[in-house]
Amino acid sequence: GAVVSQHPSWVICKSGTSVKIECRSLDFQATTMFWYRQFPKQSLMLMATSNEGSKATYEQGVEKDKFLINHASLTLSTLTVTSAHPEDSSFYICSARAYRVEHGGNEKLFFGSGTQLSVL
Amino acid sequence: QKEVEQDPGPLSVPEGAIVSLNCTYSNSAFQYFMWYRQYSRKGPELLMYTYSSGNKEDGRFTAQVDKSSKYISLFIRDSQPSDSATYLCATSTGSYIPTFGRGTSLIVHP
Repeated sequence: GAVVSQHPSWVICKSGTSVKIECRSLDFQATTMFWYRQFPKQSLMLMATSNEGSKATYEQGVEKDKFLINHASLTLSTLTVTSAHPEDSSFYICSARAYRVEHGGNEKLFFGSGTQLSVL
Repeated sequence: QKEVEQDPGPLSVPEGAIVSLNCTYSNSAFQYFMWYRQYSRKGPELLMYTYSSGNKEDGRFTAQVDKSSKYISLFIRDSQPSDSATYLCATSTGSYIPTFGRGTSLIVHP
């Protein structure tokens, strides 16, 4: 299947610092990537849609100045949590659309392994 | 009412049992239906992908969609301890941005 690599897997930071999370599509080009947030035992919450070469589209209620998204190439999108606070502690997951014949064709959503952010 | 409803469980079954996982949805415009498996602190992995109503089988997994009742199911035959994970159902209208259920935690004990 399509491989989406996400780094780091874990990050612990002090309150007020910024953290960057990288999401890479390894065997395909992704013009669009998505960033999700997931709280324990909760569903995936879409934060924003990252478009290569243009500004990200944020979901309602997500602060674009706090969660900076950059999609500078067809294989890399980054999410920077700026001035992190303890309430930003969460599991962040990226995903990308890819075409895969083994899943019946068409484009499917494939996920990175996620990043657990803990802000002290 | 949430667009996709899913019982969070946990659902605990003995090894070898047939597992039935279910979701209901409210938006009749949904045409695509997916099941993802998510291990603890990992990203979701696409298991099954179906379009419209009907059944789809892949090994021990069978996905079933009943659009008339807005009900989707995932059956796992001969369940194994390695199947222990959270199973997320998801639906979409074709925009490829799916709406997810909250996931059902499955525990298969030896």
